[in-house]
Amino acid sequence: QKEVEQDPGPLSVPEGAIVSLNCTYSNSAFQYFMWYRQYSRKGPELLMYTYSSGNKEDGRFTAQVDKSSKYISLFIRDSQPSDSATYLCAMSVKNQGGKLIFGQGTELSVKP
Amino acid sequence: GAGVSQSPSNKVTEKGKDVELRCDPISGHTALYWYRQSLGQGLEFLIYFQGNSAPDKSGLPSDRFSAERTGGSVSTLTIQRTQQEDSAVYLCASSFPLAGGPGEQFFGPGTRLTVL
Repeated sequence: QKEVEQDPGPLSVPEGAIVSLNCTYSNSAFQYFMWYRQYSRKGPELLMYTYSSGNKEDGRFTAQVDKSSKYISLFIRDSQPSDSATYLCAMSVKNQGGKLIFGQGTELSVKP
Repeated sequence: GAGVSQSPSNKVTEKGKDVELRCDPISGHTALYWYRQSLGQGLEFLIYFQGNSAPDKSGLPSDRFSAERTGGSVSTLTIQRTQQEDSAVYLCASSFPLAGGPGEQFFGPGTRLTVL
């Protein structure tokens, strides 16, 4: 079993929909949680970064971490066709040099 | 400013040949990471550099893989005697790490390696 599990999708939604992306993890030592967005044939880019349980909001994006359940989520409000990409969750253990453990990535398509 | 750059962008090689992949990190970033992204395996950590030292090589899949970093800047990932299962996109990232934490890792566009 992988340390980080993420439903690969693909996920297709209409423009304006609320999107929910999720990851579960098994390593309780993970302390840093990130969401990356990756467009086709590009490198991943950081969307959200958090290290505590609870919610963090940035514009249309909300990251949620529940350490007791080992579960993280990314919500996208008012989704746009430009949000069509692969979304990767990533996690890191403190004092291990920043090595990231990634989920499989969820491919999202937002239809106009 | 310039981001992370990688070269070549695409590499096609024959099984058994050696290949070298290059990464130019963002200037001033002391940490450098190599990851591999392949279908079915997602994005996997290979090796981490802090300056010119590699304190974590735990992700290198075999002794055919090696990497070095010089001058605290450019890094080269070398794959000897390439195999078809080495076909993947090799991504480099750099960061200025925060105390204890990963910092924001900035990724390059990757090198797409195809082994025939």
